[in-house]
Amino acid sequence: KQEVTQIPAALSVPEGENLVLNCSFTDSAIYNLQWFRQDPGKGLTSLLLIQSSQREQTSGRLNASLDKSSGRSTLYIAASQPGDSATYLCAVTFTGGGNKLTFGTGTQLKVEL
Amino acid sequence: DAGITQSPRYKITETGRQVTLMCHQTWSHSYMFWYRQDLGHGLRLIYYSAAADITDKGEVSDGYVVSRSKTENFPLTLESATRSQTSVYFCASTHSTGTDTQYFGPGTRLTVL
Repeated sequence: KQEVTQIPAALSVPEGENLVLNCSFTDSAIYNLQWFRQDPGKGLTSLLLIQSSQREQTSGRLNASLDKSSGRSTLYIAASQPGDSATYLCAVTFTGGGNKLTFGTGTQLKVEL
Repeated sequence: DAGITQSPRYKITETGRQVTLMCHQTWSHSYMFWYRQDLGHGLRLIYYSAAADITDKGEVSDGYVVSRSKTENFPLTLESATRSQTSVYFCASTHSTGTDTQYFGPGTRLTVL
């Protein structure tokens, strides 16, 4: 079964710290991997999309890497701020799966003053 | 306004009633999706559509029906609501799966009493 796992489920860090969120997936045959942000009671906002042929993508303080062979992706957040507090979701489009997104259960991040 | 909208945002209904959740997007995206989000399960795909009049089941489609007579609309109907269908429902769209970001609506919080 194609699955996506995110560890840790929750993370609390002081403001200014650099941090890494982890995502792992069970099948290396993927089209792409996406990182989303979800604020409480809100929808999902796409942060970064990495195609299967790419190794990383960057947007501002965010950097996402992809290692297909090991089935892993990381989201690096530099100089974290309280406004970064949210749930971060990793989602994979597996090939041969009808082009559907398979989501991890997310990492709930709290950045404290 | 351009984007993807869902209505209603909140709905309370009773067991056995029929409920329809609406989704509308203004980008003329080909693909549209319905997900439900539950604690402990993350987001799971209910149904998706590759184009008008083309729909297919996702992971948790039992008890749900969809239609797509127009590209911009993708309503989700609960034929006879059950308490297990209490959830937050998200609609999403994308131009082309496998390469493009999925854009999510704000969600509909449904409670079945």
